[in-house]
Amino acid sequence: DIQMTQSPSAMSASVGDRVTITCRASQDISNYLVWFQQKPGKVPERLIYSASRLSSGVPSRFSGSGSGTEFTLTISSLQPEDFATYYCLQHYTYPRTFGHGTKVEIK
Amino acid sequence: QVQLLESGPGLVKPSETLSLTCTVSGGSISDYYWSWIRQPPGKGLEWIGHIFHSGITNYNPSLTSRVTMSVDTPKKQFSLTLSTVSAADTAVYYCARDGTRSDRRFILDVWGQGTTVTVSS
Repeated sequence: DIQMTQSPSAMSASVGDRVTITCRASQDISNYLVWFQQKPGKVPERLIYSASRLSSGVPSRFSGSGSGTEFTLTISSLQPEDFATYYCLQHYTYPRTFGHGTKVEIK
Repeated sequence: QVQLLESGPGLVKPSETLSLTCTVSGGSISDYYWSWIRQPPGKGLEWIGHIFHSGITNYNPSLTSRVTMSVDTPKKQFSLTLSTVSAADTAVYYCARDGTRSDRRFILDVWGQGTTVTVSS
C-alpha cells in the first residue's frame, strides 16, 4: 500500500494566518491526490482534486500544489470556519489511502 | 444535485454480518464508481472499497476477506456487507461517489451523511 504521511499532525493558528499542510506519498503518485476538510461531527468535504484543482464552491483561499511524492494544501488567510481536520488521499493505485489528518486549531 | 443516503442497522452483534445500503438520488448511478469509507470514533478515514455500476469491485486488502459490495442499478442502490464483525469495525460508515473511468472531477465529490454502526453484544 502507498503510505500517505501528513505533517504536521496538529497545529495552532490565528485568523488571517497563512497555513500550509504537507502530504508525502511513499511512492510517486503523479497528481492523483485529493484534499478533504472535516469539521467535528460532519461529513468530509472535498476541497481539491488532481492535486491542484479547486472543487466547485470551495473558497479561493484554498489551494493545492505538488506532484510525484510531495504535496501541499495552503490556506492563504485562515478564517474562523476553517478550523477543522484536513486529510489527503491518493487514488493512483489500489487501495486508496488517506493521510492520518492534520487538525488545525485556534491559537 | 446528486444526494446519497446510507441505511442499515445501527447495532450489530460481534461475529455477525454488517449490511448497509446507499441510495442515490438526483442523478445517475451509471458510469460511476461508488465507494464505502469508514471512520472509527476519534480516528481517521479508511477506504473500504468501491464498485462500478457494472458490478466490478476493488476492495481494500485489509478487509477483502470479509467485504462484499453489490449494486442494484434499477433501484439506484449499492450495498456493503462486512462479515464476522468485531468491536474494531465500530465506525461511521460513509458512501460516496468515486469518479468515472476517465474523469477525476467526480472523485469522492459527493458523500452521504454517514451512518454510525456499533458492534456490541
